[in-house]
This record gives sequence, structure tokens and C-alpha cells, in this order.
Amino acid sequence: DAMVIQNPRYQVTQFGKPVTLSCSQTLNHNVMYWYQQKSSQAPKLLFHYYDKDFNNEADTPDNFQSRRPNTSFCFLDIRSPGLGDAAMYLCAIASGGRIETQYFGPGTRLLVL
Amino acid sequence: DQQVKQNSPSLSVQEGRISILNCDYTNSMFDYFLWYKKYPAEGPTFLISISSIKDKNEDGRFTVFLNKSAKHLSLHIVPSQPGDSAVYFCAASARGSQGNLIFGKGTKLSVKP
Repeated sequence: DAMVIQNPRYQVTQFGKPVTLSCSQTLNHNVMYWYQQKSSQAPKLLFHYYDKDFNNEADTPDNFQSRRPNTSFCFLDIRSPGLGDAAMYLCAIASGGRIETQYFGPGTRLLVL
Repeated sequence: DQQVKQNSPSLSVQEGRISILNCDYTNSMFDYFLWYKKYPAEGPTFLISISSIKDKNEDGRFTVFLNKSAKHLSLHIVPSQPGDSAVYFCAASARGSQGNLIFGKGTKLSVKP
């Protein structure tokens, strides 16, 4: 059974129209991550939650926000998507130890028209 | 500035032979390294990891070697199988981070029957 579920798998939005991507997990892990991966590039960490503690990467644009209403769910909000935000968005979880393996969801492919 | 580098974008190997995927890093604070495998339209799947206190870790057909002095690690797959065809990402975690991973750009492995 899937540990990390991402919906939708494909999302099409219009330039400037807010969009929300969702991630849920079945393991009650403490840590949830959001990565952005563009074609032929490395996955890039946007931010992560350690429980309710939000940690933003220094170079994550303000256009990207996140919410974690409970342990199981985490949302990525893109307030005003630009063409450059078209990418695969990956959610990952980890249980919170120092030496940790992250488990990824299948990703949401975002297309901006 | 890339801290984790996979200099070979692609690798082609005959079934049954050894596949060797390479990864170099620049940050001496990295102390935990992982390899992920990714099929198209799926999220990365954890494959194998190694702590900096070791120089080798083996799991079935997969072995990871770490050379700290050269800041280099490699993944060996023996024997290679057609089902191993995927993109392989090297990732590293630094002391002082909350397990945050820095990824390389990946190497696409093709195993030909």
C-alpha cells in the first residue's frame, strides 16, 4: 500500500491562477517535505515541516507556501504560478531521526498555461 | 553551485554485466549518502544508503562504495537486469541539517537485453 499519496497526479493551471497540491501519508511520520523537480534537474527542496514546525529553504520563492493542518496532510500552495513553475512536485516523508531515509510520493506534474 | 554531482547523464550496459554509477560531492559536512531509483511518472524509490563511518554497504545486487578522501561514491549493480533501467539519483545529508537531502541531477541507466 502507498505510504505517500499525492493528488492530483497531473494538474493544469493558468498563468497567475492559484493552485494547491496535496500530499497525505499513512505512517504518521513527523517530517514532510516538498521538492520541486524540473526536467533533467535534481529534486530541489522547497521546505519541510518537522511536526508543526515549518522550515523554509532560503531560496524558495515567496510565491510558494505550505500548510500542514495535521500529521497526515500537507499542502503546497502556489499563489501566482508562472511559466517557470511548471515542474514535478514531490512530497516525501521521514520519521524524524538524524540519519533518515525519505520516502517519496509519486509526484504531481504541474503544467502552467 | 552543485554540491552533489553526477557527471554522467546516461549509461548503457548489457544485461548480466556490471553497472557502475558515480557521484561526487563537495561539502565535507555530508555524512550520509543515499541512492534513489526513479521510473518515469513515479517518485524516487530508496535503494541503498551509506554512513560516512563506512566505506562499503551491500544489499543483494547493489553495493555502494564511499571514498571520503576523494569525496566520491559509486553504486555497483551486479548483475544488471533490464528492470534496472531507470534514473538513479545520488543524495547527501549534512551534519547539522534535519536530514535534508541534496540531490544530484541523476544518471539514466539503460540495461539492454
